[in-house]
Amino acid sequence: DAGVIQSPRHEVTEMGQEVTLRCKPISGHNSLFWYRQTMMRGLELLIYFNNNVPIDDSGMPEDRFSAKMPNASFSTLKIQPSEPRDSAVYFCASTSGAGGQIFGPGTRLTVL
Amino acid sequence: AQSVTQLDSQVPVFEEAPVELRCNYSSSVSVYLFWYVQYPNQGLQLLLKYLSGSTLVKGINGFEAEFNKSQTSFHLRKPSVHISDTAEYFCAVSSTGANNLFFGTGTRLTVIP
Repeated sequence: DAGVIQSPRHEVTEMGQEVTLRCKPISGHNSLFWYRQTMMRGLELLIYFNNNVPIDDSGMPEDRFSAKMPNASFSTLKIQPSEPRDSAVYFCASTSGAGGQIFGPGTRLTVL
Repeated sequence: AQSVTQLDSQVPVFEEAPVELRCNYSSSVSVYLFWYVQYPNQGLQLLLKYLSGSTLVKGINGFEAEFNKSQTSFHLRKPSVHISDTAEYFCAVSSTGANNLFFGTGTRLTVIP
């Protein structure tokens, strides 16, 4: 099992550009979560999906952020336009039940 | 809703000494409890979990935690730490049957040679 796969691992972009982060959950897992981690704010839940349907997006900072899950094996988190304050590590996690979430390695985003 | 309090933001400890990282939770319903570890520049890794049964839970790397319902605590312990245990440790809670987790703010464990 390859675990949760995230791409890219590192992304450096300029303010105003569109950024797309990608996640492939573990096969068979029906819930997917997007988190953001910064020194100032710690680990924040942005949005999560059950069976490809968004359940709670109350953590999405603002309209510049959007997330999709077109099928059970793929999800994207998009930031448009990006701003320097969006610089963070973004984690994707998945689970098949209440036994705990499995995290991906993260995408380190730097917005200049 | 659930919440988690990790009372210590940083815990320095000498190598081979015991350590306890404290976690208290708040919930009006039955809960599942988790500890995750995050090594530098890596994702979070599940260390151990309590779902039901024995209140003493053993995890990877020699760590264990005890669920105390009356004190609403789930403290993490290790009898003898190694340099390689230096990392950030997160306690998390969910209501039973739910998939979403509520995380604490983390405790940075630093093992001193």
